[in-house]
Amino acid sequence: QKEVEQNSGPLSVPEGAIASLNCTYSDRGSQSFFWYRQYSGKSPELIMSIYSNGDKEDGRFTAQLNKASQYVSLLIRDSQPSDSATYLCAVKGSNRGSTLGRLYFGRGTQLTVWP
Amino acid sequence: GAVVSQHPSWVICKSGTSVKIECRSLDFQATTMFWYRQFPKQSLMLMATSNEGSKATYEQGVEKDKFLINHASLTLSTLTVTSAHPEDSSFYICSVPELWRIPYEQYFGPGTRLTVT
Repeated sequence: QKEVEQNSGPLSVPEGAIASLNCTYSDRGSQSFFWYRQYSGKSPELIMSIYSNGDKEDGRFTAQLNKASQYVSLLIRDSQPSDSATYLCAVKGSNRGSTLGRLYFGRGTQLTVWP
Repeated sequence: GAVVSQHPSWVICKSGTSVKIECRSLDFQATTMFWYRQFPKQSLMLMATSNEGSKATYEQGVEKDKFLINHASLTLSTLTVTSAHPEDSSFYICSVPELWRIPYEQYFGPGTRLTVT
């Protein structure tokens, strides 16, 4: 069973603060990791992907990956009210026992950024 | 990334009727598409993998005779909810993985909200 766990939240931060979202996964063979943002009533939108250990920065977003610890995180700097959404961590299963291309999702962390 | 459309965006139907949802990959040919269902306040649940030119692969617990999937072309997959009941009311979302690209990414359609009365 390939499991993806996220901190349950909800997470509430003031505008301008750093929001930190965490995710752990069980499949040690996983190589690709993704963060999706989902606004209420909408479908998920890909915001970050990361494949190598370390940090990957894109604007106000930084994804961090530690394969040894099976841990991936997303930091949102200078949080804005428009960042209020549910953030889904997704892991591409290793090819063993997985449908090619299949993603395994966490339950999501709801983030609220208050003005 | 991939551009994915779904039609309709929302549909209301009566109990016992069937509803067809279309998922289109607009900018590349997709041999594989995924169908998800999401109930309010819950995460995505993979229902099935749609494979062009062959039978869909269903996840455990998903009734293949109730949720008919047809992937007739490289740009179109359809999900038909047969004999729909109120408990089938949900948000149905398809996704398209860019399997040709390494490393690959996966993009979602805008979703179809189904309400069965």
